[in-house]
Amino acid sequence: DAKTTQPTSMDCAEGRAANLPCNHSTISGNEYVYWYRQIHSQGPQYIIHGLKNNETNEMASLIITEDRKSSTLILPHATLRDTAVYYCIVSLDRGSTLGRLYFGRGTQLTVWP
Amino acid sequence: DTEVTQTPKHLVMGMTNKKSLKCEQHMGHRAMYWYKQKAKKPPELMFVYSYEKLSINESVPSRFSPECPNSSLLNLHLHALQPEDSALYLCASSQGSGLEAFFGQGTRLTVV
Repeated sequence: DAKTTQPTSMDCAEGRAANLPCNHSTISGNEYVYWYRQIHSQGPQYIIHGLKNNETNEMASLIITEDRKSSTLILPHATLRDTAVYYCIVSLDRGSTLGRLYFGRGTQLTVWP
Repeated sequence: DTEVTQTPKHLVMGMTNKKSLKCEQHMGHRAMYWYKQKAKKPPELMFVYSYEKLSINESVPSRFSPECPNSSLLNLHLHALQPEDSALYLCASSQGSGLEAFFGQGTRLTVV
């Protein structure tokens, strides 16, 4: 699986957009980009995933560069409850991995009032 | 019901004890997983079950013994653990064909 590089920590003012970057320069053509987050002392929570196109759901937007070597997770209006560790994961074609997730170190996002 | 339920939430056990962690999901997911998470570290994959059969063991010591009695239940049997095995143990499930996994809240295990 391709490796990812994320900043160790970021902060964001409440109500502002939080933009979390992820580098995955060795990603291959059939690897997806997944984002999870983990609020302190809870289990990880799925946020969003994508292959080539930008994606949006009720939680966030995922912007993937045209060369697919990096992506950005956008929380459009961050709240205090969004304070968490955010993990960017790239993995093989969905059908072949049995849902295996290999977590990197992630980014600690702190939203301040 | 989109929950993965883990019991107990907290467990303290001695190094000679035998205990079991339990995980349950009723989403009809075909794949279930155990992860281990040490403090301030990311979760690490331990085991993957697919259709109630063990399909992946990430070189986990034999003092951890998984069991999948049916499609909704996953157990992790613990025996002769060491203090360094103290961690948060997370269970997850997914349809199996993708990586959108649902995680439980975990069992915080302390080995004394």
